[in-house]
Amino acid sequence: EIIMTQSPATLSVSPGERATLSCRASQSVNSNLAWYQQKPGQSPRLLIYGASARASGIPARFSGSGSGTEFTLTISSVQPEDVALYHCQQYRNWPPYTFGQGTKLEIK
Amino acid sequence: QVQLQESGPGLVRPSETLSLTCSVSGDITNAHYWTWIRQSPGTGLEWIGYISYSGSTEYNPSLKSRVTISIDTSKNQFSLRLSSVTAADRAVYYCARQKGPLDVWGKGTTVTVSS
Repeated sequence: EIIMTQSPATLSVSPGERATLSCRASQSVNSNLAWYQQKPGQSPRLLIYGASARASGIPARFSGSGSGTEFTLTISSVQPEDVALYHCQQYRNWPPYTFGQGTKLEIK
Repeated sequence: QVQLQESGPGLVRPSETLSLTCSVSGDITNAHYWTWIRQSPGTGLEWIGYISYSGSTEYNPSLKSRVTISIDTSKNQFSLRLSSVTAADRAVYYCARQKGPLDVWGKGTTVTVSS
């Protein structure tokens, strides 16, 4: 099973600032990495797939990068509506597909 | 625009079987897998398993002995059964459409395990 580790657990950012979220895989997943946004009380929403491709309707301020074992989700200019729990997921090796523990984004 | 909706009892007794159904508005196609995920407080998202249009399944090895996922394409539904539940199975259960990444999710349903 591939273990996904996200950091930090909580990130506090002022509106308009850049947020950088990290995800590390215990072995290479190539570019088979997705990011999800989960707002309070809602189900997760796909943000990024293939490590760097934005899903339909996702604002351009969200970008993903990385390959192999190290990945980054960047929010270029954080907005108040970006407060959420962010998850990464690998889909290189299964079963099982595995998720990170999540990073909680807060607004200062 | 495909939408998914979970349904089923919100309360299950310990040692009994949890049964949930996911209703799909739009067609269940053979281009995707139809998946169950759960989320327990403090433990993140856990992939339970998926079923294809043709009925082939894959399960999380940690749950495999207790999980059955089935599909009824005539009703545009797929279902989850989890046997011998304990308090550790208390979670929000989501159904989702999957092709690697999970691109459509249901709203989720909360299941509590208690006598």
